[in-house]
Amino acid sequence: QVQLQESGPGLVKPSETLYLTCSVSGASISSYYWSWIRQPPGKGLEWIGYISYSGRTDYSPSLNSRVTISVDTSKNQFSLRLISVTAADTAVYYCARGPMATLSSSLDCWGQGTLVSVSS
Amino acid sequence: DIQMTQSPSSLSASVGDRVTITCRASQNINTYLHWYQQKPGKAPKFLIYAASSLQKGVPSRFSGSGSGTDFTLTISSLQPEDSATYYCQQSYMIPYTFGQGTKLELK
Repeated sequence: QVQLQESGPGLVKPSETLYLTCSVSGASISSYYWSWIRQPPGKGLEWIGYISYSGRTDYSPSLNSRVTISVDTSKNQFSLRLISVTAADTAVYYCARGPMATLSSSLDCWGQGTLVSVSS
Repeated sequence: DIQMTQSPSSLSASVGDRVTITCRASQNINTYLHWYQQKPGKAPKFLIYAASSLQKGVPSRFSGSGSGTDFTLTISSLQPEDSATYYCQQSYMIPYTFGQGTKLELK
């Protein structure tokens, strides 16, 4: 059974960097693509980007200049780095497996999510 | 970006009702359309991929249809545990985009 767990600070100051890690169990990080998605309080879902098993990344153009997704195969983890945060970046951040080529590029397993608030 | 528009934004139905939620894409996305269910305070749960394929373990009362720009999610006989917000998502083109959600409540 694949499980994902997000971790990182719950509070980040404006203009600073948000850094989250997703720990994966039950699947090899080297075998799939992995995504980050966020959801502002009371709002809908926004896809941030993904990293492939080969290290290829694709990001949402709206965040492309501020975001980096990386992978640590030795720890079976992948990470999200978002620089120059503002209050608009306050959201629950989810990590997920996918896009899954065998499932038409869907996101089949999700972490429980972690709330990150941007405030001084 | 491809815009995904769901309708209705919210609906109320009774146990046993047949419920249909619609998702429309701003351009042709073939069948690169997926559905997720989200309950309050929880992560989205993957229900349907490729417009009409049921993910393993998802009850058969859920079904999906459509291709191109128009898609539907149908619950054939609503159960109390189906009260949730439902999102469609396209994976035809980067950036992947979601519909705004449809909140389904039980009467």
